[in-house]
Amino acid sequence: AQRVTQPEKLLSVFKGAPVELKCNYSYSGSPELFWYVQYSRQRLQLLLRHISRESIKGFTADLNKGETSFHLKKPFAQEEDSAMYYCALRGSGATNKLIFGTGTLLAVQP
Amino acid sequence: NAGVMQNPRHLVRRRGQEARLRCSPMKGHSHVYWYRQLPEEGLKFMVYLQKENIIDESGMPKERFSAEFPKEGPSILRIQQVVRGDSAAYFCASSPERTAYGYTFGSGTRLTVV
Repeated sequence: AQRVTQPEKLLSVFKGAPVELKCNYSYSGSPELFWYVQYSRQRLQLLLRHISRESIKGFTADLNKGETSFHLKKPFAQEEDSAMYYCALRGSGATNKLIFGTGTLLAVQP
Repeated sequence: NAGVMQNPRHLVRRRGQEARLRCSPMKGHSHVYWYRQLPEEGLKFMVYLQKENIIDESGMPKERFSAEFPKEGPSILRIQQVVRGDSAAYFCASSPERTAYGYTFGSGTRLTVV
């Protein structure tokens, strides 16, 4: 079964502290993984994709196939990073649907 | 480019009424996806449409729910005879094709059934 698990509903850190938002997936095959972010009162927007190996707003995420994880990391949290973060998986095949985790609310305290 | 437009933003319906949610994709996007977010849950896939075709409706409830994406006009998600359990946020997204860039989401329609 295809599944995305985000074990933490809430992650609270202080400004300047490192951040790691956990994401584990279940999928047999080669998954495509994404992180989406939703800032307060804004729409869901793509943060980064695993295939591009990019860093956006200081965030990175590495796909670990052995651990079936795609954790989102940032070395120094900023208050403007406070938002809801969703990990998503897209499988191969004709369907184009994304499977989302339940999301983690990141709260960065001053 | 106005992005993905959903309307209304908020919709209140009494039990038994019909709800129509509209989604206008980004200009140039021919693929539309509908997701539902229930309280305390993540976004759940409902249906994937291209112009005049339903490609994947594996997430649609078997009854009362239908979706269309006509040749002209927005995509419509229709819920007949709404019940309290239909109360949720419904999100639409669009993409130009099966893209590795993911989708562009709309702001959602929050449906409340009273």
